Order: sequence, then C-alpha cells, then structure tokens
Amino acid sequence: GAVVSQHPSWVICKSGTSVKIECRSLDFQATTMFWYRQFPKQSLMLMATSNEGSKATYEQGVEKDKFLINHASLTLSTLTVTSAHPEDSSFYICSARGYREGTGELFFGEGSRLTVL
Amino acid sequence: RKEVEQDPGPFNVPEGATVAFNCTYSNSASQSFFWYRQDCRKEPKLLMSVYSSGNEDGRFTAQLNRASQYISLLIRDSKLSDSATYLCVVRGAYSSASKIIFGSGTRLSIRP
Repeated sequence: GAVVSQHPSWVICKSGTSVKIECRSLDFQATTMFWYRQFPKQSLMLMATSNEGSKATYEQGVEKDKFLINHASLTLSTLTVTSAHPEDSSFYICSARGYREGTGELFFGEGSRLTVL
Repeated sequence: RKEVEQDPGPFNVPEGATVAFNCTYSNSASQSFFWYRQDCRKEPKLLMSVYSSGNEDGRFTAQLNRASQYISLLIRDSKLSDSATYLCVVRGAYSSASKIIFGSGTRLSIRP
C-alpha cells in the first residue's frame, strides 16, 4: 500500500535555528500534501496544504514566513521551521492522499517531534 | 462552532464492553468520512472509512447519518489493545486539494 515517509523522526535544536522536515510519498505521486501540528493531548491541527509546483496554502493563524513549505516534486514536500523557538516544540506530521479503492485514504508520515531548547 | 466535533473523552470502560463514539460535522457538502486511530506519540492510522450505507469490520461498525450530519463508531467486545485516541475525519468535495478536518479526538481506555 501507499507509504509516506517523514524525516527526521525527532530533532532537538537551539532557539533561533532553522529545522527542515522532509515528507516523501514512497510509492505514489502526491500533488497535494498536508502538514499538521499536534501539541500534547490535543488533536491534529492543519497548518498548510502543500501544492506541487505552486505556493502552499496556509491556514489562518499560521505564519507563512516562519513555516516555509516547498513542494518541488510529486514525491517530496519539505517544511522548514525558521528561527525556531521553544513554543514551536511540537509533533509535526505530514500526510498525502492515496486513491486506493477511490476512498482517498489519507496516509501519514511517522511524524517529527521537534524540541526547541 | 467547530467544523468537526467529537464526544468528549476520556471513555474508561471494562474489557468486553461495547462503546460508541459520535462525531458531528457542520459542512453539509462534506463528502468523505473516516475514523482514524492514534496511539500515544504515534501518527494516526486509518481505522475505517465510513460509507453511506454503514459498514462493519469485525468488532467495529461505522455509520453515517447525512440528514443529521453525524457519524458514529461502535466497538463491540472491546480489547485492551483498543485503548487509543479515535479521531473523526471529514473531507470536503472530492478533489485532490479538498480540506481534511480532524475532530479533537476521543480518548478510550480499556481496563482489565
């Protein structure tokens, strides 16, 4: 079945540095990928929709200059957290939609746990 | 009002019990509905899609009521391994870019 791979699984960085997270669809092409953030004991919150070859669409309240999204190919989307601060510490998950059996099942990456010191 | 609302948790039930979750959605144009399961500190995984006619997968039954705009998940003969957070997921019009909205999740804890 479709698989989405996310890297790195976890990262610890100093405040002020930038962190890049990669999301790859391994056996299918994804023109659209989604980036979510999840704080402890809360649900997934959609941050942005990543569109291959065009600008990402950000949800209200998400700073596009802080969370840079690049979807340069049909199998890779990247999220860069620029000038990270402790409040950016969270679980970031990407997803892409497969079309198995026409249901549009959403496949998730394994998630990236970011800790900003 | 949230676009997708779920039963508040946590649900704490004994092994073998039957438990039901409900989820309501506000957008009547929503096309696809899913239940996902998320274990602690892991990514969500699809539990089952929800079809208009209702569908069953072993101990799990999902139903959709378009008129009242809610979906439900029933778990029979619950197992300890069913302990997890269950997420209701709703998607808009069937297109590659249609937004997917998650409910806040319902935490289920099965006790021996």
